[in-house]
Amino acid sequence: EPEVTQTPSHQVTQMGQEVILRCVPISNHLYFYWYRQILGQKVEFLVSFYNNEISEKSEIFDDQFSVERPDGSNFTLKIRSTKLEDSAMYFCASSLGQVRINEQFFGPGTRLTVL
Amino acid sequence: GNSVTQMEGPVTLSEEAFLTINCTYTATGYPSLFWYVQYPGEGLQLLLKATKADDKGSNKGFEATYRKETTSFHLEKGSVQVSDSAVYFCALSEASGTYKYIFGTGTRLKVLA
Repeated sequence: EPEVTQTPSHQVTQMGQEVILRCVPISNHLYFYWYRQILGQKVEFLVSFYNNEISEKSEIFDDQFSVERPDGSNFTLKIRSTKLEDSAMYFCASSLGQVRINEQFFGPGTRLTVL
Repeated sequence: GNSVTQMEGPVTLSEEAFLTINCTYTATGYPSLFWYVQYPGEGLQLLLKATKADDKGSNKGFEATYRKETTSFHLEKGSVQVSDSAVYFCALSEASGTYKYIFGTGTRLKVLA
C-alpha cells in the first residue's frame, strides 16, 4: 500500500540553524500539506501546496518557513533560522484531489528538537 | 472560523468498558469528519471517517456518526482493550478553499487491564 514517508525521523539542531525536513508524498497525489504538533498539543495546519505554489498558509508559517517541491517526488519544509519554539513534530500529508471527500494521507512525522 | 472541540482527557477505563469521546465542530458548509489515533511515539493513523450527514464511519470496533443537527461526531466503542490506549484526535476537512484539516486538541485514553 502506498504511503507518505518522511526523513529524518528525528532532527536535533541548535537555535539559529537552518533545517530542511523532507517528505515523499504518494506518487500520484497532487496536493501537499505540512502540519505541526508541539508536544502534548493539537495538530496545527502550516501550509498547503499545489501546482508548485503555496495555496494557503497559516499565521504560524512566517518568513522563516518555506516549502519546495524540488523534483517530482520530494516535498520539503525549510526553517531558515530555528527558534526554541519550533521544537515540534512535523507531519507531511498528501491527497489525490482537493475535493472534500478526498482523504489526506499522513507521514510518520519528523521530531524537531531545537536546543 | 472553523473549529473542533473535543472532551478533555485523560480518559481512564477498565478493559471491556464502553468508550465515548465527544467531538463537536463549527464549520461553514459541509465538512468531512475524521477520527485519527496516535500511539505513543508514532504518527497519525486514520481510524474512521464520514463525509456527509448521517454517515457512520466504523473501523476496529470504533464507530462515529456524522450528526449535522448537533454538529457532533462522537467516537464510541463497545468494549475497549488495553491496546486501544492512545491519543484520539477528531478533525474536519474544510468544505472549501484548500480543504485543510482542523484538528481538535486530542483525548488521551488509558485502558487498564
